[in-house]
Amino acid sequence: GAVVSQHPSWVICKSGTSVKIECRSLDFQATTMFWYRQFPKQSLMLMATSNEGSKATYEQGVEKDKFLINHASLTLSTLTVTSAHPEDSSFYICSASTRGLGGYTFGSGTRLTVV
Amino acid sequence: DAKTTQPNSMESNEEEPVHLPCNHSTISGTDYIHWYRQLPSQGPEYVIHGLTSNVNNRMASLAIAEDRKSSTLILHRATLRDAAVYYCILVRQQGAQKLVFGQGTRLTINP
Repeated sequence: GAVVSQHPSWVICKSGTSVKIECRSLDFQATTMFWYRQFPKQSLMLMATSNEGSKATYEQGVEKDKFLINHASLTLSTLTVTSAHPEDSSFYICSASTRGLGGYTFGSGTRLTVV
Repeated sequence: DAKTTQPNSMESNEEEPVHLPCNHSTISGTDYIHWYRQLPSQGPEYVIHGLTSNVNNRMASLAIAEDRKSSTLILHRATLRDAAVYYCILVRQQGAQKLVFGQGTRLTINP
């Protein structure tokens, strides 16, 4: 089946530094990928929609200059958390539509801890 | 986006069937009903989806009401590995296709 690979699975960084998270579709082409954030005991919150070759569409309240999204190829989207702060600590998850197969496939998530 | 309503939590016993309900009274004609589940510290996993007819796959069955205002995810024989948060989501056939997650149902399976 369709697989989305997300790396790293966890990362600890210092406050003020930037962190890049990669999301790859391994066996299918994903023209659209989605980035979510999930705080403990809460549901997933959509941050942005990433479109190959064009600018991402951000949800209301998500800072585009802080959460940089690049979708340069049909199999890779990246999320960079810039100037990270402790409040950015969260579980970040990407997903891609596999509409030809019916559903959406999710990465395994990245646990970001900012200290 | 059309909303869905699910119970916050449900509990069942191992090897028994589980029926997870979802209400979506404002569903439109082009909305597909998707179900995903999320195990602790993992990304969500696709379970099943349908439009009008009942659907079966190796993981579960999806029963859709005739008026499409509600649906039920059926796990025929629950195992401990089925303990997860289950999300019922409506996906518009056209448009941005983004998934908007509600709070889901936390399913506990007792041994």
